Amino acid sequence: EPEVTQTPSHQVTQMGQEVILRCVPISNHLYFYWYRQILGQKVEFLVSFYNNEISEKSEIFDDQFSVERPDGSNFTLKIRSTKLEDSAMYFCASSYRDSYQPQHFGDGTRLSIL
Amino acid sequence: ELKVEQNPLFLSMQEGKNYTIYCNYSTTSDRLYWYRQDPGKSLESLFVLLSNGAVKQEGRLMASLDTKARLSTLHITAAVHDLSATYFCAVGDDKIIFGKGTRLHILP
Repeated sequence: EPEVTQTPSHQVTQMGQEVILRCVPISNHLYFYWYRQILGQKVEFLVSFYNNEISEKSEIFDDQFSVERPDGSNFTLKIRSTKLEDSAMYFCASSYRDSYQPQHFGDGTRLSIL
Repeated sequence: ELKVEQNPLFLSMQEGKNYTIYCNYSTTSDRLYWYRQDPGKSLESLFVLLSNGAVKQEGRLMASLDTKARLSTLHITAAVHDLSATYFCAVGDDKIIFGKGTRLHILP
């Protein structure tokens, strides 16, 4: 069964550094998402992306965050200058159509900011 | 802003028992999702409920949606240990808001 794949599985970064999290959505999916989950807490929506542009973003997704689909397969989340509170599990998800279909989640990238 | 509340947040139950997890949400939406998450793992889609009165069942899990009451339920029938996980409901269109999750622990 097709899967959403995320790399790396664990990223350790110094505070203030830039980090790029990578995702390969399921190949025929058209909608892409990033979420984060601080340890033991709920899953928080960050951003949705469709047709090469952001369609919705949350208050968390400030100017430090950006997303890109640099080619036909990858979908990236960049955090420009990381803060301690950015430490979390980041999940990428994709869906074939809009929200009438379930989102398929990747295994996540655990981001640890030192 | 859309709020999603689940209860209970933690549930410990014996195998073989039935129980229900409740999900209330604050604004109108006809799209509700249930996900399962095992510790340290990703989220697995269980159900997508799209209309008032929708009911879906998979094995020992059954989910329903009442859009007028803004309530969804996830019912567990004759629980088994393998169902131990955290269950999230989520609501929304393009921006999906998750509840805090219900950590279900089923005792053998």
